[in-house]
Amino acid sequence: EAQVTQNPRYLITVTGKKLTVTCSQNMNHEYMSWYRQDPGLGLRQIYYSMNVEVTDKGDVPEGYKVSRKEKRNFPLILESPSPNQTSLYFCASSLSFGAGANVLTFGAGSRLTVL
Amino acid sequence: ILNVEQSPQSLHVQEGDSTNFTCSFPSSNFYALHWYRWETAKSPEALFVMTLNGDEKKKGRISATLNTKEGYSYLYIKGSQPEDSATYLCASTYFNKFYFGSGTKLNVKP
Repeated sequence: EAQVTQNPRYLITVTGKKLTVTCSQNMNHEYMSWYRQDPGLGLRQIYYSMNVEVTDKGDVPEGYKVSRKEKRNFPLILESPSPNQTSLYFCASSLSFGAGANVLTFGAGSRLTVL
Repeated sequence: ILNVEQSPQSLHVQEGDSTNFTCSFPSSNFYALHWYRWETAKSPEALFVMTLNGDEKKKGRISATLNTKEGYSYLYIKGSQPEDSATYLCASTYFNKFYFGSGTKLNVKP
């Protein structure tokens, strides 16, 4: 089944403890991206990747890192999490950016709480 | 940052009612306009992508139109059913990025 898989789905952690949220897709998609969703706000793009070894900042990259060493994987790294990073996170991918016209396939979401 | 706005924030309708909502985006910076359907406890799923002024797309009882010159898109649901209850998100794309609105939450009462 074609899908985007995120782990963990739920995580409670403490301030400053490094964590990684993994994202993997099995559709050979070039474009991958991370979003956070907070109440009253739309999905905000954190980072995106056009292809392997090509990553760039979205609108809210502060406090996050990413890497794209393989086409299928795009982990989100929080080096020193803070309570303001408590949020619902989605990973999504598409065939390519395609001038913005290729639809995104979303993972199931990861709910992160930082105490 | 592109400002994408959706209205209304929420909508309560009776089963069988037809409804529509709006997505506004900057017309000067436009690549494509996406609509997604997001059910509670699930992940957003794509409904439509439109790129050309005047585009119209239809999937069953749901349809969408696009006006790139004035910067808006409408999503229509004909004869709403309880299973249409969800949050509907629109997104405008520009220069490798996606910009989402905050969504319209639709509740259809039986």
